[in-house]
Amino acid sequence: GQQLNQSPQSMFIQEGEDVSMNCTSSSIFNTWLWYKQEPGEGPVLLIALYKAGELTSNGRLTAQFGITRKDSFLNISASIPSDVGIYFCAGDYTGNQFYFGTGTSLTVIP
Amino acid sequence: NAGVTQTPKFRILKIGQSMTLQCTQDMNHNYMYWYRQDPGMGLKLIYYSVGAGITDKGEVPNGYNVSRSTTEDFPLRLELAAPSQTSVYFCASSRIGGEKLFFGSGTQLSVL
Repeated sequence: GQQLNQSPQSMFIQEGEDVSMNCTSSSIFNTWLWYKQEPGEGPVLLIALYKAGELTSNGRLTAQFGITRKDSFLNISASIPSDVGIYFCAGDYTGNQFYFGTGTSLTVIP
Repeated sequence: NAGVTQTPKFRILKIGQSMTLQCTQDMNHNYMYWYRQDPGMGLKLIYYSVGAGITDKGEVPNGYNVSRSTTEDFPLRLELAAPSQTSVYFCASSRIGGEKLFFGSGTQLSVL
């Protein structure tokens, strides 16, 4: 199956710091999605990207669809304790199935 | 706003037992999916459906079956449970392929 490399695997940051994470694939994708998952819950959609070079924001979150179409980036500005969770990227090039990264675990220290 | 609803939330099975995980969505989405999530891993696609009566295999379909008789419902069947099927199962839906997925809250399944 398709492999998505997501990094970093985990992050421990101070409240107020900015966060950056990224996802790379060996295939060209048509859609990138970013999700957040909290313990015992399903993934919740944060941002959807549909075009190479697209930059989209959702509050303090900003994501970009890489111009090579093989990568995507998520930034969180001025982190707060409720940002804690696991962040997943997902990409699709078939139109039928999304492939998921292995997640970035974020811990915010007050 | 129910969205995607999965039942049960938790289940313990003995090896060789069978069960059906239920999934229903009220968004009139055409596409529905079943994913499994193992500890420390991303989600792997088991089966998906592009509409009522149409299903297809994903990355990890072995040991599972699905059916899609209505737009709303997409049950996942485990016929002979094995320890390797211990996982958290998520159902998702999207309006069309390649668009954002909306997930249910998951079913945690243990096979002992």
